[in-house]
Amino acid sequence: AQKITQTQPGMFVQEKEAVTLDCTYDTSDQSYGLFWYKQPSSGEMIFLIYQGSYDEQNATEGRYSLNFQKARKSANLVISASQLGDSAMYFCAMREGKAGGTSYGKLTFGQGTILTVHP
Amino acid sequence: GAVVSQHPSRVICKSGTSVKIECRSLDFQATTMFWYRQFPKQSLMLMATSNEGSKATYEQGVEKDKFLINHASLTLSTLTVTSAHPEDSSFYICSAPEGGLATNEKLFFGSGTQLSVL
Repeated sequence: AQKITQTQPGMFVQEKEAVTLDCTYDTSDQSYGLFWYKQPSSGEMIFLIYQGSYDEQNATEGRYSLNFQKARKSANLVISASQLGDSAMYFCAMREGKAGGTSYGKLTFGQGTILTVHP
Repeated sequence: GAVVSQHPSRVICKSGTSVKIECRSLDFQATTMFWYRQFPKQSLMLMATSNEGSKATYEQGVEKDKFLINHASLTLSTLTVTSAHPEDSSFYICSAPEGGLATNEKLFFGSGTQLSVL
């Protein structure tokens, strides 16, 4: 069963507008972490934002914020004031298990969303 | 933030040869590193977990004799694609948790290696 689902293969947004990239997840663990990464055409994975399952506040990092709805098991990424340089593939990922476990750092990735920012 | 260095960034080789990819944590010790594989326009799939001083743990369906992993020091893990074939052509990328596995710290990725087997 798909653990991380990104239902938007591609998204378009006008420069300076905000955009939301969807991510839903499935886990039976109480403790988990949710990540968003940006992958430009160069291939590198750029960390954007992290939300822990026990964090009560939505995570924010500059223009990035994570809309965490635990009951709905969704962790949407909101990018405010889009810039041309935001055009890239975006991945949502989940880390399961408790800190200290041997596989704690393993990430399960969604299918990705290609974001295109128009001038 | 922490830096993970991966080399080479791109390699082209003939079918049947072996290719070694290095993943190095530059300013922190990484007792564990993770190797992922990514086909064009697709998601990252975990191949194996590299453990310093012990054998790697491979995901189901990944041939351990084909993809040799060595984690000889606290800052270096290598992935060797043995007897490479065109179907092994892919983007390989490593990651390491900065604070080890006992924290919620960020996971940092190398810049990836594009392998093309002719």
